[in-house]
Amino acid sequence: AQTVTQSQPEMSVQEAETVTLSCTYDTSESNYYLFWYKQPPSRQMILVIRQEAYKQQNATENRFSVNFQKAAKSFSLKISDSQLGDTAMYFCAFMALTGANSKLTFGKGITLSVRP
Amino acid sequence: KAGVTQTPRYLIKTRGQQVTLSCSPISGHRSVSWYQQTPGQGLQFLFEYFSETQRNKGNFPGRFSGRQFSNSRSEMNVSTLELGDSALYLCASRFGSPDGYTFGSGTRLTVV
Repeated sequence: AQTVTQSQPEMSVQEAETVTLSCTYDTSESNYYLFWYKQPPSRQMILVIRQEAYKQQNATENRFSVNFQKAAKSFSLKISDSQLGDTAMYFCAFMALTGANSKLTFGKGITLSVRP
Repeated sequence: KAGVTQTPRYLIKTRGQQVTLSCSPISGHRSVSWYQQTPGQGLQFLFEYFSETQRNKGNFPGRFSGRQFSNSRSEMNVSTLELGDSALYLCASRFGSPDGYTFGSGTRLTVV
């Protein structure tokens, strides 16, 4: 079974600054994807970024980038130039590519507050 | 194109009743998954349907069931509701590749 751990329940950052959200996971699978999802008060889960485990290059999407350390099973999200609209819960998620395990396993989430 | 639509947005039911939640996926998406979100347990996988067949099931009691219709719309049913079933139920659809998960805004179920 897969587990995803987000040990920080809350974080706060000043607008325009950079913040890093941590995530570790455990799996015996060799082929998998990792995701960061954002859930604002509107409740809808929004995909922020994804990383294929077979790719060594870290994924980047505009102000969002990840630091993927496969050996350490670590997958952190860096948000640069934080904006007020980044205030939300952020979830790290894992998905194996093999049949029965092809479901999203989420961490507990972290509440990020961006201060003006 | 339209996103994933979940109805109703809010629902209040009494303990012992049953409830049916609906999810309309993005047009062309054949896979629909359901997740339960609670403050205590976080996000937990309920089941996934693909082309009207249940492909994967989470660790929930048999009171939780679902189905998918030929137009890919999905319903989930919870029978004999318990207070602990109060949660946000999220539906997600995808075409086929892992990066295609799109979530709906959820149905907030309150059991009293």
